[in-house]
Amino acid sequence: DQQVKQNSPSLSVQEGRISILNCDYTNSMFDYFLWYKKYPAEGPTFLISISSIKDKNEDGRFTVFLNKSAKHLSLHIVPSQPGDSAVYFCAASPTGTASKLTFGTGTRLQVTL
Amino acid sequence: NAGVTQTPKFQVLKTGQSMTLQCAQDMNHEYMSWYRQDPGMGLRLIHYSVGAGITDQGEVPNGYNVSRSTTEDFPLRLLSAAPSQTSVYFCASSYDNSGANVLTFGAGSRLTVL
Repeated sequence: DQQVKQNSPSLSVQEGRISILNCDYTNSMFDYFLWYKKYPAEGPTFLISISSIKDKNEDGRFTVFLNKSAKHLSLHIVPSQPGDSAVYFCAASPTGTASKLTFGTGTRLQVTL
Repeated sequence: NAGVTQTPKFQVLKTGQSMTLQCAQDMNHEYMSWYRQDPGMGLRLIHYSVGAGITDQGEVPNGYNVSRSTTEDFPLRLLSAAPSQTSVYFCASSYDNSGANVLTFGAGSRLTVL
C-alpha cells in the first residue's frame, strides 16, 4: 500500500515557466513533509520541507503548498531552469521522525530550453 | 567535508554470494540508515541506527544485516545475495532521529545479483 503517491512519473516544462509537482498521501498521521531532488548517479538532496501547522513554505524559487484536508501537497518551481531537471521525491513522516520517513516513487522533471 | 561516503559504487554478485556495502559519515551524525531504490517503488528503508550499538529494522530488512560499532560507520551486509536484491542502495545520516530531520545521502551503490 503506497502511503505517499506521486502519480506523474514525468513532467516537461519550458525554461522560465512554472513547474508544479504533486504528491498525495493517505496516512493521516503524517505531519511533516519534505521534498528531495535527485540527479543521476547522485544521492537525493534535501530541497524544502513543511510541517502540518503550515500551509505554505517558500525558499527562493521553491514553494511547497500543503492541503491537509485533501491530503495533498505540491512543489512549485518558479521560474524553472534547466538545472532543475532531476527526479523529485516527496516524503512524509509522523512527528518528523527520520526512521518513519516514507518516500513517493518520484517525478522526473525535464526543463527544456 | 566528505559527508556520507559509500563504497563500492558498483558491484556484481552471483546468487548466494555475500558482501558488505560500506557507509561512513564524518558529520558526527547519530542517526544513520540504509535505503534501497527500485523502479516504481521509491526509496524504502532497510535498517537504521539511532546511535552506536543500536540498530533496528525498517520496512524491508529481510536478507540484510547491519551493525553500528562506531558513530561514523554503518555497513550493510548481504548474507546470501538473491536476484531480488538487485537495486541501488543509499546510505543516509542525520543529526538525530527527531524533529525537523534532514537526511544527507551518499551517492549510492548499484548492486546487480545474477
